[in-house]
Amino acid sequence: QKEVEQDPGPLSVPEGAIVSLNCTYSNSAFQYFMWYRQYSRKGPELLMYTYSSGNKEDGRFTAQVDKSSKYISLFIRDSQPSDSATYLCAMSAVINSGYALNFGKGTSLLVTP
Amino acid sequence: DGGITQSPKYLFRKEGQNVTLSCEQNLNHDAMYWYRQDPGQGLRLIYYSQIVNDFQKGDIAEGYSVSREKKESFPLTVTSAQKNPTAFYLCASSAGLAGGWPDTQYFGPGTRLTVL
Repeated sequence: QKEVEQDPGPLSVPEGAIVSLNCTYSNSAFQYFMWYRQYSRKGPELLMYTYSSGNKEDGRFTAQVDKSSKYISLFIRDSQPSDSATYLCAMSAVINSGYALNFGKGTSLLVTP
Repeated sequence: DGGITQSPKYLFRKEGQNVTLSCEQNLNHDAMYWYRQDPGQGLRLIYYSQIVNDFQKGDIAEGYSVSREKKESFPLTVTSAQKNPTAFYLCASSAGLAGGWPDTQYFGPGTRLTVL
C-alpha cells in the first residue's frame, strides 16, 4: 500500500461548480499537509499548506485535514477554466536529515466553460 | 527574479548515452531535490541534498548520479544504467533544516528527456 493515495481522475466539472479533491494516507507520522497545482508541462506550484487537523481557507480554496481518518481534502469554490490543472497532495514528516515530502499521484481537473 | 531554472526544456538522447540535466537556483536555499514524473506515477524522489557536498539517495536513485559542489547548483546525470530514462524531470529547492517547517519546496519548470 502506498503511503499517499490520490484518485487520478480525470475530473470534469462545469464552470462555477464546487470541486472536491481528496487524498488518503497511511503514515500517522505525517504532520504537514500541502496542495500543489501543476499546469501541463510546468513545474508544480504550492497552493496551500496546513498543519495537523482543521480547515484553512484562502480565497476560493479551502484545505481540510482529518487526521483521525487520515484524509485530506481541497475544495475549490466557483471553479474557473483557469483552475484546469493537475492537483497534487503532499505530506511531510520530520526525519533525522530534514523533511521528507510524500506526493500523491495527482488528480487531473478540467473545468469546462 | 528569484527562482529555479532548468535547462534544457526538451532533451533528446540516444540509448546508451549519459546525459546531464542542469538545475540552478538563486533563492539561497540549502536543500535541493530531483524528482521524476511519469504519467500516472506522480512525483518520485531520485536524490536530494540538504547541504553543499552532501546528498542522499531517494526512492529511485538507481541509474542516476548527482553532485552538489555549489549551493546554487544540483546537476543530475542520467546514466546508461537507467533502464527507462524517458520522463519529465523536476528539480526543486527549499530552505531546508535552517528554515524550519513548512520547508516549502519550490519547483523548476522541468526538463522532458526522451531517449531514442
